[in-house]
Amino acid sequence: SAVISQKPSRDICQRGTSLTIQCQVDSQVTMMFWYRQQPGQSLTLIATANQGSEATYESGFVIDKFPISRPNLTFSTLTVSNMSPEDSSIYLCSVEHVGQRQETQYFGPGTRLLVL
Amino acid sequence: GIQVEQSPPDLILQEGANSTLRCNFSDSVNNLQWFHQNPWGQLINLFYIPSGTKQNGRLSATTVATERYSLLYISSSQTTDSGVYFCAVTYNQGGKLIFGQGTELSVKP
Repeated sequence: SAVISQKPSRDICQRGTSLTIQCQVDSQVTMMFWYRQQPGQSLTLIATANQGSEATYESGFVIDKFPISRPNLTFSTLTVSNMSPEDSSIYLCSVEHVGQRQETQYFGPGTRLLVL
Repeated sequence: GIQVEQSPPDLILQEGANSTLRCNFSDSVNNLQWFHQNPWGQLINLFYIPSGTKQNGRLSATTVATERYSLLYISSSQTTDSGVYFCAVTYNQGGKLIFGQGTELSVKP
């Protein structure tokens, strides 16, 4: 398995500002992902963070709103830009761990964001 | 794209009761995982189970890939089992998980 930490664990922000969330993994991983969980909802994939190249975004998510960095195989950041109250969510990073005959995803503890 | 449906959406149990949660998916999958999201929001892996049956303590899971469903069994439920249970699948290369809407379980003492 992988141990994943996220910073900050929670934050309250004013609309129009930006917040950068950090994700750190205790081992090198190929695949890292960012998910959003809106209040009372399931998880939705925002993007795949690619090491050394631009992130791959899912339909409905764009780089200008959610810029992502992946400088190495153990670290990634997600920025939520020009925030509005609709961005209030839990943001989670995950990594794929490839073991014997299985590919399992592990999630960080999440960042709870409230935008006022 | 692939659809993942979970049932029931909500479940209330008395401590000690057993329950079965279901996950249906609309197409063939490479990977299926069950997660438990505790009241603090942490997602905990329960099972990696694209096919077959696995058991871990009071929990077990069965996936029948040919019929496109998976079941999660919880026996002798405890209050600490409360939270939301998610089923998630991947259906192509790249590891992208598609989540169901979850089953919210509340176990009363």
